[in-house]
Amino acid sequence: SQTIHQWPATLVQPVGSPLSLECTVEGTSNPNLYWYRQAAGRGLQLLFYSVGIGQISSEVPQNLSASRPQDRQFILSSKKLLLSDSGFYLCAWSLAGETEAFFGQGTRLTVV
Amino acid sequence: AQKVTQAQTEISVVEKEDVTLDCVYETRDTTYYLFWYKQPPSGELVFLIRRNSFDEQNEISGRYSWNFQKSTSSFNFTITASQVVDSAVYFCALSYYGGSQGNLIFGKGTKLSVKP
Repeated sequence: SQTIHQWPATLVQPVGSPLSLECTVEGTSNPNLYWYRQAAGRGLQLLFYSVGIGQISSEVPQNLSASRPQDRQFILSSKKLLLSDSGFYLCAWSLAGETEAFFGQGTRLTVV
Repeated sequence: AQKVTQAQTEISVVEKEDVTLDCVYETRDTTYYLFWYKQPPSGELVFLIRRNSFDEQNEISGRYSWNFQKSTSSFNFTITASQVVDSAVYFCALSYYGGSQGNLIFGKGTKLSVKP
């Protein structure tokens, strides 16, 4: 069966520091991968998605970037965090051609 | 533009009551999918159901049931005989085909509290 791992679970970072969140999927090949953010009191917002290695599409311009160095690895990064980057970040995957996405357990990021 | 509205921000019920969570969507696509996800306090989003735009049959899964009505652009979710374990935030979502399949537009969620 497929599983998705996301780490760390929680993170507190100072403003201006870099960020790297990692997500890996097991049990499937060539998944579509996604990064979502859930800010306090708001719904989930799609940040990035990827349909293959090295292919990244950004939905919302921001201080963040994503990379997909391997088929089942998806990384969310920032060179310099802002206070507004605080939130709950969720990685998700779906099968190519399928529509439902399956989510990781999330990373709660607090920028101080 | 695609949009999902969950007008109920929070709902509180007593155990064993039935509760309906509302979801209204907007889309210009003729082919689309609707979803419900559950987010328990642990934070992980749990997939509950997917419905495509061509299938308006209501669906029942145990205590859960879903009512999809294209005429009113609604996809409501009912929990029968609610239990404390149903306490969570529930999200309705819509998928579109502007980019990759699987991109989801989420509503802001409805926080359900079931009290014993």
